[in-house]
Amino acid sequence: QLQLQESGPGLVKPSETLSLTCTVSGGSISSSSYYWGWIRQPPGKGLEWIGSIYYSGSTYYNPSLKSRVTISVDTSKNQFSLKLSSVTAADTAVYYCARVLVTTTIDAFDIWGQGTMVTVSS
Amino acid sequence: SSELTQDPAVSVALGQTVRITCQGDSLRSYYASWYQQKPGQAPVLVIYGKNNRPSGIPDRFSGSSSGNTASLTITGAQAEDEADYYCNSRDSSGNLWVFGGGTKLTVL
Repeated sequence: QLQLQESGPGLVKPSETLSLTCTVSGGSISSSSYYWGWIRQPPGKGLEWIGSIYYSGSTYYNPSLKSRVTISVDTSKNQFSLKLSSVTAADTAVYYCARVLVTTTIDAFDIWGQGTMVTVSS
Repeated sequence: SSELTQDPAVSVALGQTVRITCQGDSLRSYYASWYQQKPGQAPVLVIYGKNNRPSGIPDRFSGSSSGNTASLTITGAQAEDEADYYCNSRDSSGNLWVFGGGTKLTVL
């Protein structure tokens, strides 16, 4: 059974870089039918897609965050990572990683990590 | 602002049928997927594609689409269905993903 687990600091100072890693277990990150994504949810608000990556390294980013986001993949460790630079209090949120099923007709974030709360504060 | 629009809140009497809708131009070209989120928990996929349910999702959940509107229908709503529901699809360019603003479902 495939599982995803986010890890990283729960507290980041303003203007610094938020760094999170998602470890995939019970399956390979190199599966051809899947992308891997990051989604966040500020307290009391809705879900916001941050970006997605294919195991080959192809990336897609939310235009509103694109200038500050980098998503990378390490197939040898079965992990993918998120870096968000120049953070402010508005970046305080629960950050989720997820597997994205992609076919010619279907897109779905079918497996999610439990999420990790990241607070931006000095 | 989200390219997928949902009603902020919907209510349904226990055992009745409720439809939650999601509107957006991209839905003319792409199917929506639907997620259930309960307080303090990660979202769970409940419907994807034309009308597919992941293993373990009750058959009272179904999906449909017409024009620029996708719908999630719960037939015979149960107390445990009270949750936030989010739709998701590609954006109009087809290169990016977007979530709707979410609908809070209350089961009365």
